[in-house]
Amino acid sequence: DQQVKQNSPSLSVQEGRISILNCDYTNSMFDYFLWYKKYPAEGPTFLISISSIKDKNEDGRFTVFLNKSAKHLSLHIVPSQPGDSAVYFCAASAGAQKLVFGQGTRLTINP
Amino acid sequence: DAGVTQSPTHLIKTRGQQVTLRCSPKSGHDTVSWYQQALGQGPQFIFQYYEEEERQRGNFPDRFSGHQFPNYSSELNVNALLLGDSALYLCASSRSGGAGSYNEQFFGPGTRLTVL
Repeated sequence: DQQVKQNSPSLSVQEGRISILNCDYTNSMFDYFLWYKKYPAEGPTFLISISSIKDKNEDGRFTVFLNKSAKHLSLHIVPSQPGDSAVYFCAASAGAQKLVFGQGTRLTINP
Repeated sequence: DAGVTQSPTHLIKTRGQQVTLRCSPKSGHDTVSWYQQALGQGPQFIFQYYEEEERQRGNFPDRFSGHQFPNYSSELNVNALLLGDSALYLCASSRSGGAGSYNEQFFGPGTRLTVL
């Protein structure tokens, strides 16, 4: 039962362009959503989050959009930089701090 | 300020053996969660410890057990290892909050367990 899904295993984007990573969820009890970034041999690093009472949260080059009716969220990175190349995980929480993760999307930024 | 630390970095065991993984939380954090990340998958929640008690548990068998010490550090024990237990084991720490509140989890680098 995959409650959080990232349907794109990989994404390749040219440097300077926009990267859009997508995530779908099925559990309507989720009230907090997060994006983590992971480099090889390191643990996931928190990137940005959004509460279910909002539909957008922005932090520098990163913006997360939440569409509750569609149970969909997306992460926009603009402009994309080579250092953004990593695996990105979408995660969700139902208020009890247990995180449910998607399978991850490997983002590659090409010069 | 040290972040979350885990030991060992890598571990190789054979089927049927037992293993203990260790985690020290970030300074000021009192809650520790453990996750298993299989190759090509996202992390899966194993359990969470707060005030030396298991507060929540994911869909993992009883072979997986844990402990939290008074200094908030934690151990994950896995008995009767199976080949399928090969994975990256991640520890995350956070500061406890009120009911229903979310407090950011900080992850350690993980322990890579290989079962032969």
